[in-house]
Amino acid sequence: SYVLTQPPSVSVAPGQTARISCGGGNIGSKTVHWYQQRPGQAPVVVIYYDSDRPSGIPERFSGSNSGNTATLTISRVEAGDEADYYCQVWDGSSNHYVFGTGTKVTVL
Amino acid sequence: QVQLVESGGGVVQPGRSLRLSCAASGFTFGTYGTHWVRQAPGKGLEWVAVIWYDGSNEFYTESVKGRFTISRDNSKSTLSLQMNNLRAEDTAVYYCARASGGGNSAFFDSWGQGTLVTVSS
Repeated sequence: SYVLTQPPSVSVAPGQTARISCGGGNIGSKTVHWYQQRPGQAPVVVIYYDSDRPSGIPERFSGSNSGNTATLTISRVEAGDEADYYCQVWDGSSNHYVFGTGTKVTVL
Repeated sequence: QVQLVESGGGVVQPGRSLRLSCAASGFTFGTYGTHWVRQAPGKGLEWVAVIWYDGSNEFYTESVKGRFTISRDNSKSTLSLQMNNLRAEDTAVYYCARASGGGNSAFFDSWGQGTLVTVSS
């Protein structure tokens, strides 16, 4: 089965840039989506189709996808960005939807 | 606005059954694929099952195949998950989620608040 690997945690100072990687075999050939989950809340999509942003999501959130790694970038990090982040793709070989292992972003 | 409301969670003994429901409103339910996604306590998200917008296809993660059945009633805008032969490892918050985009580009654009299922003797 297809596996997506994320770093368990990323720490960043306010105002700096956080980059969260999502590794998977030839992930650049797949479409990647990113979700933010704050404690006790349901996930919210922050990036879809690799780099598109839903309405209401700040421009500080951006995404890229190439080769074996997709990346979620959060610029000018704020305290409110502290949350767990998950990448997600569809695995066509199994018709399954796959989530990454998740990354906890801590704002110092 | 789009709303998904899950119900049916609770405490159940191993080997028993439970049925979850998800009531949808604020959109044309019968035009969207819908999923169940779960999250064990302190763990990450795990996709469980999908049913196509018209109910013509269903897919399941391997660990629940043969035990869980996803279904929908478009006339009542309701999604269900019948869970049989429950195991301790099925303990999780279960979310229903609406999918936008088709096939290999589908993503979950709306989620319910989740319902907790605890499998314990």
